[in-house]
Amino acid sequence: RKEVEQDPGPFNVPEGATVAFNCTYSNSASQSFFWYRQDCRKEPKLLMSVYSSGNEDGRFTAQLNRASQYISLLIRDSKLSDSATYLCVVNIVGFKTIFGAGTRLFVKA
Amino acid sequence: DAGVTQSPTHLIKTRGQQVTLRCSPKSGHDTVSWYQQALGQGPQFIFQYYEEEERQRGNFPDRFSGHQFPNYSSELNVNALLLGDSALYLCASSEGQGRGYTFGSGTRLTVV
Repeated sequence: RKEVEQDPGPFNVPEGATVAFNCTYSNSASQSFFWYRQDCRKEPKLLMSVYSSGNEDGRFTAQLNRASQYISLLIRDSKLSDSATYLCVVNIVGFKTIFGAGTRLFVKA
Repeated sequence: DAGVTQSPTHLIKTRGQQVTLRCSPKSGHDTVSWYQQALGQGPQFIFQYYEEEERQRGNFPDRFSGHQFPNYSSELNVNALLLGDSALYLCASSEGQGRGYTFGSGTRLTVV
């Protein structure tokens, strides 16, 4: 079993749609959590941290459920510019950071 | 304020050769991590350096080694290159552990 698992997609959605990505992790020693965005042939960029209480940044909402070892990212009112691969990232005690394989999103006009 | 810089941007090597990739972290960052990203995959953790020491290592063979210098810059060395080592190599820096990373634009290594 992979340490961080994501639905690879792709998700094809129209502009304005709401889309949700899910991620599960297997290591209970996981400490901190993030979502990154990666555009084609570019480096990953930090989108947002994920906190147990849930957090929101504009159209983006991240949730963490430690009991279920589950992380989510919700994008509301999708824009064409949201098209990218979204990577779920988990920091594990002992300075190890694990990336999921990513979920591809295509937003269509 | 410069972000993370990596060199070279592209590299072609022959099987069996050795390669050195370089990374300068973002100003103020003291921790450097290296990742290998194959096409269509997420970045795979190679190792992390802090205070010039390797603190953690992923599932990569000893052919992969690294170093961190007093100015926090880092090198990734790969010996006895295999075709399967062809990938994008990403360097990421952070201020300590447990925080989000800033990535460099990567070095694309092709082994022929």
